[in-house]
Amino acid sequence: KNEVEQSPQNLTAQEGEFITINCSYSVGISALHWLQQHPGGGIVSLFMLSSGKKKHGRLIATINIQEKHSSLHITASHPRDSAVYICAVGVDKLIFGTGTRLQVFP
Amino acid sequence: DAGITQSPRHKVTETGTPVTLRCHQTENHRYMYWYRQDPGHGLRLIHYSYGVKDTDKGEVSDGYSVSRSKTEDFLLTLESATSSQTSVYFCAINGSPDTQYFGPGTRLTVL
Repeated sequence: KNEVEQSPQNLTAQEGEFITINCSYSVGISALHWLQQHPGGGIVSLFMLSSGKKKHGRLIATINIQEKHSSLHITASHPRDSAVYICAVGVDKLIFGTGTRLQVFP
Repeated sequence: DAGITQSPRHKVTETGTPVTLRCHQTENHRYMYWYRQDPGHGLRLIHYSYGVKDTDKGEVSDGYSVSRSKTEDFLLTLESATSSQTSVYFCAINGSPDTQYFGPGTRLTVL
């Protein structure tokens, strides 16, 4: 069993829909990261959080340390949100999930 | 953009040949990492460095070596490339606050 599990693996949505991507982990952590990988391959860090909730534009990330679970929400999804979203845990030596591929159609 | 470049961006090589990938940063960050990304596995840590001449192994270090003689450069060497090392390789640095910034990646094909 992977130490970091993401669900779903693949997700399709219509433009405007509310999106939720989930991440569960089995190790003790001090930080959790959400990353975005575009079709061109580049990887961008979206959030680093250790408790509570963070918001950036239409993206919201939450974490529940007791339940070892985090969610990434996208409000009012847009085709440009189409990407692979990756959850990772740790501070320096990260452990990654295998990613959730999101496709948003107009 | 955290000032990270990787070279080459694409390489095709033959089994048994040595290959060196270079990661260069302009931000003077102490921590640098090499990852490989393969379908179904996500990103996996190969080696990392916490300073000049200070390196350590990651999860999938067999068949790879690294060197860091200057803060800005972190080299990954495949001593004798194998087909199982066909992958996309990403370099990253640990910026602030505790955020990793990734290079553009190197696509390596070993025939």
